[in-house]
Amino acid sequence: DAKTTQPNSMESNEEEPVHLPCNHSTISGTDYIHWYRQLPSQGPEYVIHGLTSNVNNRMASLAIAEDRKSSTLILHRATLRDAAVYYCILRDRVGDSSYKLIFGSGTRLLVRP
Amino acid sequence: SAVISQKPSRDICQRGTSLTIQCQVDSQVTMMFWYRQQPGQSLTLIATANQGSEATYESGFVIDKFPISRPNLTFSTLTVSNMSPEDSSIYLCSVARDRGKGEAFFGQGTRLTVV
Repeated sequence: DAKTTQPNSMESNEEEPVHLPCNHSTISGTDYIHWYRQLPSQGPEYVIHGLTSNVNNRMASLAIAEDRKSSTLILHRATLRDAAVYYCILRDRVGDSSYKLIFGSGTRLLVRP
Repeated sequence: SAVISQKPSRDICQRGTSLTIQCQVDSQVTMMFWYRQQPGQSLTLIATANQGSEATYESGFVIDKFPISRPNLTFSTLTVSNMSPEDSSIYLCSVARDRGKGEAFFGQGTRLTVV
């Protein structure tokens, strides 16, 4: 399974941008990069995913390095509700009709008021 | 999106007993997965629940300990058998509708305490 490396924790001030890094040097050509987050006492929720190009949605932006060996999740204005554990995951394809998500240790984001 | 209902939401069980956790989805989904999250830890994939066939287990997990059923495209159960205190965890059901790059959805989890 391709692995990801993330810092254990990061801190941010409220209403400032947050850049959460992820290294995935063993990524294969067909692996998608997924980001999920887990708020306290909840199941994980999808944030964003991408393959090669940068991606934007209402929650965040995903910047993918040209060699795809790293990516950065960008929260443009952190709020207290964004305090969570953020997981960078490589979509692991199994066979030709299924996939599974293998979670790493993630980054715990603390947002200061 | 997919709305997932897990039952029970929490339980306290005696060691040596078994607990069956149910996962109901509001629409048909292609993939269903079961995860375990031990206190303060990340999620660990237990198995992929396959409709109409035996589940596919990850390394370190066996069918005798964690039997799984998936009778249709909207429902699955995970049983934690012969429980010990080490089985105290949150168990989460996850589903994916898309076989490709789509997002996965997670239930709120079942918090199990074994005493």
